Amino acid sequence: GENVEQHPSTLSVQEGDSAVIKCTYSDSASNYFPWYKQELGKGPQLIIDIRSNVGEKKDQRIAVTLNKTAKHFSLHITETQPEDSAVYFCGGGRGGGSYIPTFGRGTSLIVHP
Amino acid sequence: GAVVSQHPSRVICKSGTSVKIECRSLDFQATTMFWYRQFPKQSLMLMATSNEGSKATYEQGVEKDKFLINHASLTLSTLTVTSAHPEDSSFYICSASRGGLATEAFFGQGTRLTVV
Repeated sequence: GENVEQHPSTLSVQEGDSAVIKCTYSDSASNYFPWYKQELGKGPQLIIDIRSNVGEKKDQRIAVTLNKTAKHFSLHITETQPEDSAVYFCGGGRGGGSYIPTFGRGTSLIVHP
Repeated sequence: GAVVSQHPSRVICKSGTSVKIECRSLDFQATTMFWYRQFPKQSLMLMATSNEGSKATYEQGVEKDKFLINHASLTLSTLTVTSAHPEDSSFYICSASRGGLATEAFFGQGTRLTVV
């Protein structure tokens, strides 16, 4: 699978602030980039994904942007809430039946009330 | 949405015994399933990929004789940890994909294995 680098490893914000998590990838043929949220003691949950034919995708307070030239993509969470506190993982690779979900190292997001 | 159910959520077993973990896709047919292992505060490490009706493909360093994977139907895959030892204690997570042109993978809730 694709090797993705994720930053930062921890992110602490105040409730209502925005949070941004960034990932870079190396395979220029990668065209699918998911983001997962993992709460303590649970499996990852797909929260948003983007394919390489678009540069941005939004879903309420969550958005993902993709820069194919620079090979990086970012997760943006606006108006953060305490329940957004979790570990977030990015992934990436060539979409389709051969896609194997692999993950960045994760970002622990803490939203302080 | 697509639901993947993993059972049990927690299991404690004695050293030397075997433990089976089940992963079921409840509302879709999973051509491909993945098994991961996660240590505390670390990312998910892919252990193996299994396609229905075929032998699993194991990642380098994963002992296939210790971690037996069976994907006998389009809705069920099992991971059996054989002759478990304390160092096998970990969080095991499965994932399922429809395969074909579909890319999205959906994850189970994980199984916390403790070997005493």
